[in-house]
Amino acid sequence: GAVVSQHPSWVICKSGTSVKIECRSLDFQATTMFWYRQFPKQSLMLMATSNEGSKATYEQGVEKDKFLINHASLTLSTLTVTSAHPEDSSFYICSARQESNQPQHFGDGTRLSIL
Amino acid sequence: LAKTTQPISMDSYEGQEVNITCSHNNIATNDYITWYQQFPSQGPRFIIQGYKTKVTNEVASLFIPADRKSSTLSLPRVSLSDTAVYYCLVGDGSTNAGKSTFGDGTTLTVKP
Repeated sequence: GAVVSQHPSWVICKSGTSVKIECRSLDFQATTMFWYRQFPKQSLMLMATSNEGSKATYEQGVEKDKFLINHASLTLSTLTVTSAHPEDSSFYICSARQESNQPQHFGDGTRLSIL
Repeated sequence: LAKTTQPISMDSYEGQEVNITCSHNNIATNDYITWYQQFPSQGPRFIIQGYKTKVTNEVASLFIPADRKSSTLSLPRVSLSDTAVYYCLVGDGSTNAGKSTFGDGTTLTVKP
């Protein structure tokens, strides 16, 4: 149980394009979803927290107009990297949590490479 | 948010028990303690979660002292496939908006 699917797992695109990443909880309803970014050999950095039906809460330093998050249902959240540039290249990971006192369950991440 | 401190790295041998301790001195009343395992180019995998005392599941045990300012993940009889980064996460479980911050993690290397 507690499976989180993230898609795509790997994407390469040209600078200036927008990229959408999907995160789905397959066998539970996620009241809260989280988006992280991870650089090589570093820990996960929380980008934003979203609750179903409400606007995402972004961490300090994360541009909300750059990283658009939509938590449209209890099983789906999307992260759109708008007008992506090479510095946005990273490993993006989502997680989902059913209730507040339960652990997060993570997707397998998306490797984003901007040329 | 409670800050966590773990050893940067640990080495072990196959078949040994490994204990990884995490310090979280400013843990709040509502915080739970959760441990994750991460392999390269994958998302973290949930290992175990606890609030106080001892928790055990099929893969690990979690020991939490009464003051909850630290916790110890115990992995019995490790194998080569347990080589990974282990994260201790302390976070607010009181509300759905509660979040956690990842520390630097412990890189465990299991040798034959």
